[in-house]
Amino acid sequence: GEDVEQSLFLSVREGDSSVINCTYTDSSSTYLYWYKQEPGAGLQLLTYIFSNMDMKQDQRLTVLLNKKDKHLSLRIADTQTGDSAIYFCAESIRGGADGLTFGKGTHLIIQP
Amino acid sequence: DTAVSQTPKYLVTQMGNDKSIKCEQNLGHDTMYWYKQDSKKFLKIMFSYNNKELIINETVPNRFSPKSPDKAHLNLHINSLELGDSAVYFCASSQQTHEQYFGPGTRLTVT
Repeated sequence: GEDVEQSLFLSVREGDSSVINCTYTDSSSTYLYWYKQEPGAGLQLLTYIFSNMDMKQDQRLTVLLNKKDKHLSLRIADTQTGDSAIYFCAESIRGGADGLTFGKGTHLIIQP
Repeated sequence: DTAVSQTPKYLVTQMGNDKSIKCEQNLGHDTMYWYKQDSKKFLKIMFSYNNKELIINETVPNRFSPKSPDKAHLNLHINSLELGDSAVYFCASSQQTHEQYFGPGTRLTVT
């Protein structure tokens, strides 16, 4: 079955690192994605990782994938106030032809 | 230029009406999608469509129908609107189902 789980809230201090976690159940996932949604806005594709990779780094973003445990994480280094948003983990199954299955999103709250 | 655009941005209508939401992408992508985001921010796929295949999420009522006049457009038509249809509807597109890019969303309010 398809199920993607995330914690609903994460609070971090400005300048610290944020780590947003996600678990998924379908082992046939080909790509795993992180999307960002700011208030009143659409979804912005942040990064993605192919299922045969363990890690991907892109500037302040680091994605880690543990395929054995079906666990995905997004680390944001030096968290800024502009990082405040909802972060969605998503998986594509059957090459994505059925669309993406999203987690319920993690609200990242930045404390000054 | 906006890659994936939707109109209208806001739509307020009464129960029982029929309405359409338009989506256009200028990325040259071959696959387009409609998603529904409910009041709790939960996103769910409704349809995916390319010129060969329409895939419908089985939970979507048949009052909802996608219509594609050409490769760059996928409109969403909704018949007999109900209160529970109130949500934000997102269009997305991708090339061969990878890296989906989303439109800004249409907030539908049914009264």
